[in-house]
Amino acid sequence: DGGITQSPKYLFRKEGQNVTLSCEQNLNHDAMYWYRQDPGQGLRLIYYSQIVNDFQKGDIAEGYSVSREKKESFPLTVTSAQKNPTAFYLCASSPLWGISYNEQFFGPGTRLTVL
Amino acid sequence: AQTVTQSQPEMSVQEAETVTLSCTYDTSENNYYLFWYKQPPSRQMILVIRQEAYKQQNATENRFSVNFQKAAKSFSLKISDSQLGDTAMYFCAFLQPDAGGTSYGKLTFGQGTILTVHP
Repeated sequence: DGGITQSPKYLFRKEGQNVTLSCEQNLNHDAMYWYRQDPGQGLRLIYYSQIVNDFQKGDIAEGYSVSREKKESFPLTVTSAQKNPTAFYLCASSPLWGISYNEQFFGPGTRLTVL
Repeated sequence: AQTVTQSQPEMSVQEAETVTLSCTYDTSENNYYLFWYKQPPSRQMILVIRQEAYKQQNATENRFSVNFQKAAKSFSLKISDSQLGDTAMYFCAFLQPDAGGTSYGKLTFGQGTILTVHP
């Protein structure tokens, strides 16, 4: 089945540690995105990428980093510089053509908690 | 910058009844896309319906329909024959295509409306 997978589902981090959230898609989508969701709020864009080896900062990129070495993968690293990292993180992808163009498909999310 | 406003933090409806969720947005652009996403307790984001701004006809998907008022910058979602499975948080979202005209663009989300369907 085609889709987006995120791992782990739950992640605990000690203060001062970097952690990496995984996002993989087998939908052959060119564009991929990372969002952060805080309780009772909408999604806010962290980073996005249209093609391999290229990505742009979103609205809240500080304290985060990404890489796009493969079309299928877009991992997000939450660094120790992120002051309030506890949140729900969602990865998404979208095709740039076809019947579903501009529609973003979401993964199941990763809940990150800083201890 | 585009903004999306959902003025109803919470709504409730009886099973089989109809409910309308409100959304307004602010943009100076003429070409854009609007979406309603559903996030049930599982937290999986699911696309409910989409509307292209250049289309005058309101989009419909089974029990879900929109009232798109471009001049008023309003994009409400109507759910008919509400079902218990419709209980979720609903997000309105706006997408501005990039300058090249491709679909690649940033989604701007509203704050969400929690909808509860009562039996």
